[in-house]
Amino acid sequence: GQSLEQPSEVTAVEGAIVQINCTYQTSGFYGLSWYQQHDGGAPTFLSYNALDGLEETGRFSSFLSRSDSYGYLLLQELQMKDSASYFCAVSDPGGSYIPTFGRGTSLIVHP
Amino acid sequence: EAQVTQNPRYLITVTGKKLTVTCSQNMNHEYMSWYRQDPGLGLRQIYYSMNVEVTDKGDVPEGYKVSRKEKRNFPLILESPSPNQTSLYFCASSSTPRNSGANVLTFGAGSRLTVL
Repeated sequence: GQSLEQPSEVTAVEGAIVQINCTYQTSGFYGLSWYQQHDGGAPTFLSYNALDGLEETGRFSSFLSRSDSYGYLLLQELQMKDSASYFCAVSDPGGSYIPTFGRGTSLIVHP
Repeated sequence: EAQVTQNPRYLITVTGKKLTVTCSQNMNHEYMSWYRQDPGLGLRQIYYSMNVEVTDKGDVPEGYKVSRKEKRNFPLILESPSPNQTSLYFCASSSTPRNSGANVLTFGAGSRLTVL
């Protein structure tokens, strides 16, 4: 089976940097993904790590340490529109690669 | 436009009345899956399909059925809905990952189901 742990809520102010952590336990591991979901909307793909290290996509970066079964999403220069839920998800070859999601972290950005 | 289309978007029904939520994708994706989303529980996988005529249970399959007769369609069937199936449902699709690449899910807009 698989389990993922991430904080339920994180708050920050506009312009700041915030890190959302994710730890996972899986029988097999293929990659760690991050998705964003605004209230009332569908989740959308943000980033993916298959190998250790940092992947950067604009203001967002994602990090993976496979030996620690740990990853994080880093959001820089926070904007009000970044207020949303963020989900980490693990793909397991034993589970046909379709991601299993964590419970999500609600990010609240204050002015 | 590449998309996953779910219908209905909203539905209120009564206990025991069979219903089907349709899902269709136009991206020729092999993988399709259904998730339900409940407050505080995140996205939980109900069923998934790796290709036509290949389906398998996810984490919370009880009370649901699926079929994959065509590549583009993956309907979710609730034979006898109960109030604990009141939830927000998402269908998603993706293509086969290649060379350690991401299995990027494209989600439908969601179907909010209320069972009274």
